[in-house]
Amino acid sequence: EPEVTQTPSHQVTQMGQEVILRCVPISNHLYFYWYRQILGQKVEFLVSFYNNEISEKSEIFDDQFSVERPDGSNFTLKIRSTKLEDSAMYFCASRRQGSTEAFFGQGTRLTVV
Amino acid sequence: ELKVEQNPLFLSMQEGKNYTIYCNYSTTSDRLYWYRQDPGKSLESLFVLLSNGAVKQEGRLMASLDTKARLSTLHITAAVHDLSATYFCAVEPGYALNFGKGTSLLVTP
Repeated sequence: EPEVTQTPSHQVTQMGQEVILRCVPISNHLYFYWYRQILGQKVEFLVSFYNNEISEKSEIFDDQFSVERPDGSNFTLKIRSTKLEDSAMYFCASRRQGSTEAFFGQGTRLTVV
Repeated sequence: ELKVEQNPLFLSMQEGKNYTIYCNYSTTSDRLYWYRQDPGKSLESLFVLLSNGAVKQEGRLMASLDTKARLSTLHITAAVHDLSATYFCAVEPGYALNFGKGTSLLVTP
């Protein structure tokens, strides 16, 4: 069964460093999303991406964040200068055109020290 | 601001018992989702409810949607230990999912 895959599963980085989280959405999906979940809290929307551009973003998605689809398969989230409060589980999701259901990846646990 | 409120947030129940989790939301939405999350894992889609009065069942779980009351319920019948997890409801008024805080369910013998 097709699935959304994310790498790495766990990333530890020093405060101020740049990180790139990678996602491979399901191949025929056209809508891509990043969400994050701070430990013990609810899942929060970061950004949605369609047709090679950001369609919506939340207040959390400030200038430190960027997304890219560098090729036909990968979808990345970059955090330019990480802060302690960026520590969270980051989930990528994708959805097929015309479908109501988004499929989530296994997540990348980001720990900023 | 859209609010999605679940209750209870924590639920401990015995195997074999029934219980209902409630999800209230503050804005018009015709789509309501239920997800399950096991510790340290991703979100698994359980139900997508697309219209007022929608009811869906899968095994011991049944979800319903009342868009007029802006309320969805997730009913658990004859709970078993394997149902222990965190359950999230989410609404999608526009472009993305807005999640509730989740209900952590523990089913004990």
